[in-house]
Amino acid sequence: DTAVSQTPKYLVTQMGNDKSIKCEQNLGHDTMYWYKQDSKKFLKIMFSYNNKELIINETVPNRFSPKSPDKAHLNLHINSLELGDSAVYFCASSPTSRGNIQYFGAGTRLSVL
Amino acid sequence: AQSVAQPEDQVNVAEGNPLTVKCTYSVSGNPYLFWYVQYPNRGLQFLLKYITGDNLVKGSYGFEAEFNKSQTSFHLKKPSALVSDSALYFCAVREVYNQGGKLIFGQGTELSVKP
Repeated sequence: DTAVSQTPKYLVTQMGNDKSIKCEQNLGHDTMYWYKQDSKKFLKIMFSYNNKELIINETVPNRFSPKSPDKAHLNLHINSLELGDSAVYFCASSPTSRGNIQYFGAGTRLSVL
Repeated sequence: AQSVAQPEDQVNVAEGNPLTVKCTYSVSGNPYLFWYVQYPNRGLQFLLKYITGDNLVKGSYGFEAEFNKSQTSFHLKKPSALVSDSALYFCAVREVYNQGGKLIFGQGTELSVKP
């Protein structure tokens, strides 16, 4: 059983489209995260949710909207996709917001053409 | 502000030789420090962490790291490298009193172990 699973694994789309990436964790964790890894492999946190409540919102364009329907799921919706959104997006979870170890999904590679 | 620096983009080591991947950090309070490894087309995997206590931390796959407060460093080491250790390694820091669990990552170091 995959602990943190993301779908889709690959996403190729045109500029201006709207797309969603889904994430689910079966670890019973309270806290989930979205990270963006750019073409230089640099990793930066975007959002964090604890028990469905937003607790970290880094400087991310409003076109990115996370949604957590329950604590096992954290989805990322992106409106009006731009070329610069091309990256690998990783979902992660940890036992609590103070939880030390974060468990990562395999990533979603988004290519905006 | 928190920051992490990994001064080497790439480290090349011969199989069987010891390896070191360097990391220095900057936080305003006490740090939680982590090493993660990323294999090609995979997510990050936790290797080890320093929270408190013994400065030498042992982790997965024979890796260890030494916390040095005076030098604000947390270098990753392994006595004998394997070809299968070739991957991208990330150091990360979190402030102890950071409620949100926010990790700040270094830029990553590509480790290449040749037979």
